[in-house]
Amino acid sequence: QKEVEQDPGPLSVPEGAIVSLNCTYSNSAFQYFMWYRQYSRKGPELLMYTYSSGNKEDGRFTAQVDKSSKYISLFIRDSQPSDSATYLCAMRSLSGDYKLSFGAGTTVTVRA
Amino acid sequence: ETGVTQTPRHLVMGMTNKKSLKCEQHLGHNAMYWYKQSAKKPLELMFVYSLEERVENNSVPSRFSPECPNSSHLFLHLHTLQPEDSALYLCASSQDPAGVEETQYFGPGTRLLVL
Repeated sequence: QKEVEQDPGPLSVPEGAIVSLNCTYSNSAFQYFMWYRQYSRKGPELLMYTYSSGNKEDGRFTAQVDKSSKYISLFIRDSQPSDSATYLCAMRSLSGDYKLSFGAGTTVTVRA
Repeated sequence: ETGVTQTPRHLVMGMTNKKSLKCEQHLGHNAMYWYKQSAKKPLELMFVYSLEERVENNSVPSRFSPECPNSSHLFLHLHTLQPEDSALYLCASSQDPAGVEETQYFGPGTRLLVL
């Protein structure tokens, strides 16, 4: 079993739609959760991070963590063509272990 | 993107060649990382340097040899690679690898093709 599972897509949505992305994980020690966005021919850039369970909003982006289900989500409201990218989830424990565990990434295309 | 730079951006090499990838970070960070990114696979951590000391060697074949001469520069020396080593090689840096709110900043990557 992979430590982090993420559906690679691809996902294609019309402009203005809500994009829903998610990851599941198996390691209950994970407590710090991140979403990275990677445009074509670029490196990943941190989009959002959150601890433990609950929601976090940043503009059009909402990150959710459900630790009881070992499930995290990223929602993009009012999606724009500029949101077309690959979204990677990443997570780590807080035990001093620097190692990030990544999902494989979901490729999203927002059609104008 | 300008915080972490990588050169070259693209590299084609034969299996008998020797080449090096270079990474430079301008963020004043203490830790640097090499990752391998293959299509539809999670990022694979290869090497970690903290304060110029290697702290992780994630079962990487010896045909990959890292070098960290100072906290701003990181190299990945390549020799006798295999076609399955073709991938995007990403460099990242962070302030404190054990920090609670640790964030890694990535470079644009080197797209490597081994023929």
